[in-house]
Amino acid sequence: DTAVSQTPKYLVTQMGNDKSIKCEQNLGHDTMYWYKQDSKKFLKIMFSYNNKELIINETVPNRFSPKSPDKAHLNLHINSLELGDSAVYFCASSYSPTGELFFGEGSRLTVL
Amino acid sequence: KNQVEQSPQSLIILEGKNCTLQCNYTVSPFSNLRWYKQDTGRGPVSLTIMTFSENTKSNGRYTATLDADTKQSSLHITASQLSDSASYICVVTANSGYALNFGKGTSLLVTP
Repeated sequence: DTAVSQTPKYLVTQMGNDKSIKCEQNLGHDTMYWYKQDSKKFLKIMFSYNNKELIINETVPNRFSPKSPDKAHLNLHINSLELGDSAVYFCASSYSPTGELFFGEGSRLTVL
Repeated sequence: KNQVEQSPQSLIILEGKNCTLQCNYTVSPFSNLRWYKQDTGRGPVSLTIMTFSENTKSNGRYTATLDADTKQSSLHITASQLSDSASYICVVTANSGYALNFGKGTSLLVTP
């Protein structure tokens, strides 16, 4: 069974569209994250939720809105997509905010 | 500001050779340091965790060291294999916060 699964794996869309990426973890972890990995491979935290509560919200445009319906899910919705949003987005979870991160396989977003 | 600096940025070695990757940090107060391996097209996976009291820890052909006084860590890979080709990311956690501090990674290529 996949521990952290995110869908879709690939997403190609036009500028200005709205899209969502879903993430689910079956590890029973309390903390979930969204990371953005740019073309230079640097992983940058976007959001972190602990027990469905937002605890980290880095400087991210408000076009990005995370939603955590329960502890096992953290979805990412992006409005009005821009070219600069093209990247690989990783979902991750951990037992606690300082624990080992378990990453999903990534969702590659390409904005045309 | 908490920072994590990794060197070298990239490295090419011949199969069977050893190599050492470096991670220097200014994160304080220190909680732990993890090395992650990220294969191309995959999410990062934890290799080792180092806490304040640990100097050396091995995971197969991977050996991590930590000098908490100088705030330096290294990851030594012995008898490299083609499958070691990946990006290696150093992540340092502060004792107080939720934020994890990521290095920019070292890209390792092992050639036949």
